[in-house]
Amino acid sequence: EVQLVESGGGLVQPGRSLKLSCVASGFTFNNYWMTWIRQAPGKGLEWVASITNTGGSTYYPDSVKGRFTISRDNAKSTLYLQMNSLRSEDTATYYCTREGYYSSYWFAYWGQGTLVTVSS
Amino acid sequence: EIVLTQSPTTIAASPGEKVTITCRASSSVSYMYWYQQKPGASPKPWIYDTSKLASGVPNRFSGSGSGTSYSLTINTMETEDAATYYCQQWSSTPPTFGAGTKLELK
Repeated sequence: EVQLVESGGGLVQPGRSLKLSCVASGFTFNNYWMTWIRQAPGKGLEWVASITNTGGSTYYPDSVKGRFTISRDNAKSTLYLQMNSLRSEDTATYYCTREGYYSSYWFAYWGQGTLVTVSS
Repeated sequence: EIVLTQSPTTIAASPGEKVTITCRASSSVSYMYWYQQKPGASPKPWIYDTSKLASGVPNRFSGSGSGTSYSLTINTMETEDAATYYCQQWSSTPPTFGAGTKLELK
């Protein structure tokens, strides 16, 4: 059974940093792209970052480019999101997701999410 | 960036009723994907490659469409189908989501 378990969320002041982790199990981690998606309270879903299965390439929207860094440790089956220069608009639940087996262009598995609150 | 516009924003349906949610893309996409989310829970993968049901999704659900117009249909509404549904594309980067359609029980 595929499992994705996020951790690392919490309350952080604007301008500070936070690092999220996602431990994966139930599949061969180094075979799949991984993605972080976030959801602000009461709002819709927003793509945050993606990383190829080898970690050789990463992708970000303009809203987080230069502030967030996605990375992975395939030996530990763990995905990370380093978030710097946090802003109030980064407040959201952050989900770790995995691409599908039959289709790569969607988010076929989701973790339970970890809440990040940016506030002074 | 491809913008996805879902309609309606909110819809109320009675058990047994047929429900259709539409997702329109600002540019042509190859496939559309759908997720179901209930309050306090993570989104669940629901429909992939436009019309294929994810594991465990009841066959009263279906997906269709092409180009810039896609839809999710529930043949006969059941109480457990009340949720918010999101469409998503990744024909071009960045992947984008629709704003969601909230399906309520009438």
